[in-house]
Amino acid sequence: GDSVTQMEGPVTLSEEAFLTINCTYTATGYPSLFWYVQYPGEGLQLLLKATKADDKGSNKGFEATYRKETTSFHLEKGSVQVSDSAVYFCALRAIQGAQKLVFGQGTRLTINP
Amino acid sequence: DVKVTQSSRYLVKRTGEKVFLECVQDMDHENMFWYRQDPGLGLRLIYFSYDVKMKEKGDIPEGYSVSREKKERFSLILESASTNQTSMYLCRSGGSVTEAFFGQGTRLTVV
Repeated sequence: GDSVTQMEGPVTLSEEAFLTINCTYTATGYPSLFWYVQYPGEGLQLLLKATKADDKGSNKGFEATYRKETTSFHLEKGSVQVSDSAVYFCALRAIQGAQKLVFGQGTRLTINP
Repeated sequence: DVKVTQSSRYLVKRTGEKVFLECVQDMDHENMFWYRQDPGLGLRLIYFSYDVKMKEKGDIPEGYSVSREKKERFSLILESASTNQTSMYLCRSGGSVTEAFFGQGTRLTVV
């Protein structure tokens, strides 16, 4: 079945450090890929998305590129801030299965000043 | 702003109790979903609904049921709560994945 694997957390960085959170997926067909963010005490919010190979999603300084050859969708940010501390989820939507999302296990990110 | 409201932020229930978790959305969305969130396991789909009185099992429906009597309200029911159902429960509403809206979550503890 479809699945998403994220790097183990938690991840702790200093402010202005470079961030990478790895995400790889297994799916039949051509899924759409997403990153969601969950700030403390809140529900999930869509951070960025990509719907086909080589698409780059970007938002709030975060970027991720849909790499079909490596089945990956790694999240990156050049200079993190304390306010980026949150849990990040990679997810896919398979072509089949209306509106169903498959989530990775989540990566908790803490940024220290 | 779209609102997805879950009735409780924190709940503590006893083993064997019947538990109701309520979710209400105010945007006339047809699709609603219930997930549970556990450390290291991410979000797992319990049940979803595409319309009033319509429901489909997700990946982990055992021990749960749902009710969708009105379009705006989707209830998750734990028929007989057990300690392994201690978790964070998240409701999702939306017409497409790019319009997905999540509630703030209900942290349920079963003792």
